[in-house]
Amino acid sequence: DAGVTQSPTHLIKTRGQQVTLRCSPKSGHDTVSWYQQALGQGPQFIFQYYEEEERQRGNFPDRFSGHQFPNYSSELNVNALLLGDSALYLCVSSLGPQAGYTFGSGTRLTVV
Amino acid sequence: AQSVTQLGSHVSVSEGALVLLRCNYSSSVPPYLFWYVQYPNQGLQLLLKYTTGATLVKGINGFEAEFKKSETSFHLTKPSAHMSDAAEYFCAVRGPNSGNTPLVFGKGTRLSVIA
Repeated sequence: DAGVTQSPTHLIKTRGQQVTLRCSPKSGHDTVSWYQQALGQGPQFIFQYYEEEERQRGNFPDRFSGHQFPNYSSELNVNALLLGDSALYLCVSSLGPQAGYTFGSGTRLTVV
Repeated sequence: AQSVTQLGSHVSVSEGALVLLRCNYSSSVPPYLFWYVQYPNQGLQLLLKYTTGATLVKGINGFEAEFKKSETSFHLTKPSAHMSDAAEYFCAVRGPNSGNTPLVFGKGTRLSVIA
């Protein structure tokens, strides 16, 4: 049974560029949340998608946007990248917004 | 607003010694509490969680934690550390199911185990 799959695993981008990260949830899960984990910090909630709609959002600027597809997979888009966006981005899936979470291994984004 | 404070960004113990990782939370509603472990270049794995009921919670790999409402604490313990326990540990809090709230994490504690 595949867990949460994220791609790519590593990514290097230049300031000002745009990036798209992808996530396939665990089989049977219909809810996807995204977290940002800066170096030496705990994960911080970006947003949650359920039924193809953004249901909740953390304290992140509009440069961060997302999408959920009918097959429950999700994308995280970040525009106008800043050096401070360098982090591990974690995708988390669950069966319903309030159920237990399964974490992916993350995408390591480096902005130079 | 909910928050988590993990005391000690780095804890070092000898192999076979007691592991104690401290976590205090702040929540205006009865919280759900979690401990996660993260190995290098990996995502987070759930060690244990407290929702309701028994305040002493047992998790995987011999870890346990006790919810103490009067102290707003949820410290993680393991009687005897193994080398394989070396990792980053995160305490997290979440509102109960009456509200759909995301996990709020502490900054983490890095556990080193010395042979």
